[in-house]
Amino acid sequence: EEQLVQSGGGLVQPGGSLRLSCAASGFTFGTSWMSWVRQAPGKGLEFVANMNQDGSQKYYLDSVKGRFTISRDNAKNSLYLQMNSLRAEDTAVYYCARLDGSSSGRWLDPWGQGALVTVSA
Amino acid sequence: DIQMTQSPSSLSASVGDRVTVTCRASQTISTFLSWYQQKPGKAPKLLIYAASGLRSGVASRFSGSGSGTDFSLTISSLQPEDFATYYCQQTYTTPYTFGQGTKLEIK
Repeated sequence: EEQLVQSGGGLVQPGGSLRLSCAASGFTFGTSWMSWVRQAPGKGLEFVANMNQDGSQKYYLDSVKGRFTISRDNAKNSLYLQMNSLRAEDTAVYYCARLDGSSSGRWLDPWGQGALVTVSA
Repeated sequence: DIQMTQSPSSLSASVGDRVTVTCRASQTISTFLSWYQQKPGKAPKLLIYAASGLRSGVASRFSGSGSGTDFSLTISSLQPEDFATYYCQQTYTTPYTFGQGTKLEIK
């Protein structure tokens, strides 16, 4: 079974830092694009970041550029999101997901279970 | 950025009804469109990929269609477990934007 299991998350003060982790199993992690998506409380989904197999291509949502860093360790089948200079508006459930695709499209599947990040004093 | 507009934002329907949700992109996205189902407190799940591909394991009552700018998700006969929020997403160009969601509720 293809699976992503997340860890990390929690309560952090504004300006603080947090690292999210995402462990993959059941598929070849090292050949997969990976992504982070977030969902603020009661709101819709927002694509945050993605990266290719070797980390040479990365994309960030404008509002997190310079503050968040997506990374991976293919030897550990793990994806990370380092979040610095956190703001109240970063409060959300963060999901990791594999970005799969073909010549006809790209899609997110599977998804991790989510990790709640709360930024508050 | 490409804007994705879903309609309706919410929908009340009964078990057995046929339901269609639409998604319009602000510019052409070919078939780079996927649909997700999300239940409260849970992660989204992929239903439809590349506009019309049915993910393995997803019930055949779900179907997707469209290309270019106009897309739709149809549930042919609603089942109790289908009451959830549905999102479309374009992955034609970054940022990979989502629609605002359609909440499907029991009438």
